[in-house]
Amino acid sequence: EAGVVQSPRYKIIEKKQPVAFWCNPISGHNTLYWYRQNLGQGPELLIRYENEEAVDDSQLPKDRFSAERLKGVDSTLKIQPAELGDSAVYLCASSLTSGSGYEQYFGPGTRLTVT
Amino acid sequence: AQSVTQPDIHITVSEGASLELRCNYSYGATPYLFWYVQSPGQGLQLLLKYFSGDTLVQGIKGFEAEFKRSQSSFNLRKPSVHWSDAAEYFCAVGESNDYKLSFGAGTTVTVRA
Repeated sequence: EAGVVQSPRYKIIEKKQPVAFWCNPISGHNTLYWYRQNLGQGPELLIRYENEEAVDDSQLPKDRFSAERLKGVDSTLKIQPAELGDSAVYLCASSLTSGSGYEQYFGPGTRLTVT
Repeated sequence: AQSVTQPDIHITVSEGASLELRCNYSYGATPYLFWYVQSPGQGLQLLLKYFSGDTLVQGIKGFEAEFKRSQSSFNLRKPSVHWSDAAEYFCAVGESNDYKLSFGAGTTVTVRA
């Protein structure tokens, strides 16, 4: 079974430029999560999708971040414009459904460096 | 709100020696507790989880963890580490009626020959 796929794995951009990250969850997983992991810290949730609906985006900086999950499968996270403080690893995870009883499977992440 | 503290930022252990990673949580009710491992360039992989029942939980790769309610702790142990156990380890807490996980800052484990 294929795991969670993310691309690109690494991205270097200049500040004020846009950037997008793509995630393909495990087949059949209805719930998709985007996390941000700053250096030396644990992941922090940005947004959670149930199928195509964003049911929790309370931690997403909406002035510059946006996300979509068309058709309830793949998802894209965008930053426009990027700031120096956005440098981090962006992790995508998926689970069969929501609830702590359901294991979240993580992708390898996209390491973003903003210069 | 729940929170997780991992007191040790970095631990160095000799191959074959035992390993214990500490995790303390803050949560009013019975938490759901998790340990994840993250190898360089990889995503997080679940080692084990505790929801209820036996307070000693067995996981993958020879790891185990013990839930101690009186100490609000969920420490991870392995009797004999292998060089491949070098990685970053994260403790996380969740709620029974919520999907949100709160992660600790992680402990980096270095294994020396």
